[in-house]
Amino acid sequence: AQKITQTQPGMFVQEKEAVTLDCTYDTSDPSYGLFWYKQPSSGEMIFLIYQGSYDQQNATEGRYSLNFQKARKSANLVISASQLGDSAMYFCAMREGRGWDDKIIFGKGTRLHILP
Amino acid sequence: GAVVSQHPSWVICKSGTSVKIECRSLDFQATTMFWYRQFPKQSLMLMATSNEGSKATYEQGVEKDKFLINHASLTLSTLTVTSAHPEDSSFYICSGASGSQKEQFFGPGTRLTVL
Repeated sequence: AQKITQTQPGMFVQEKEAVTLDCTYDTSDPSYGLFWYKQPSSGEMIFLIYQGSYDQQNATEGRYSLNFQKARKSANLVISASQLGDSAMYFCAMREGRGWDDKIIFGKGTRLHILP
Repeated sequence: GAVVSQHPSWVICKSGTSVKIECRSLDFQATTMFWYRQFPKQSLMLMATSNEGSKATYEQGVEKDKFLINHASLTLSTLTVTSAHPEDSSFYICSGASGSQKEQFFGPGTRLTVL
């Protein structure tokens, strides 16, 4: 069974609009971390945001926020005021366990296209 | 954030040859390094986890005799694709992690093409 599910293979959004990228996860470990990464066409993986399972508040990093709904096991990424440079592949990922050096498993990704 | 480099950034080789990819953490000590493979339009698939000074732990379905991983120091891990075949053509990405930082730091990737 997939541990990370991203149901939107692709999305088209008008520039300056907000966009929500969906992510659900599955784990029985009470300690886990959730990540979002951006991968532009160059291939580099760019860390966007992190949410720990015990964090009380939703994580925010500039224009990125993570809508963490623990009971629903969902960790959607919200990008406010989208820009053309946001066009890229976005991956949701999960690390199970307490260790910062535990492995991370990735979802299949969502390709985001920002339209001018 | 911390910096991880990979070398080479791309490589083309003939079928049957071996290719070594280096992954270096430049400004931190990576106690753990991870190797991923990404086929076109697909996600990153974890191949193996390596800890400095010990044998790598391979994910199910990854041939350890084909993908040799060495993590000789806290700043260097290498992946050797032995007897490469066209189906090994892929984008290989490494990442480094230390116990003190919340995220893994990814290298820029190596694109391998096997002819």
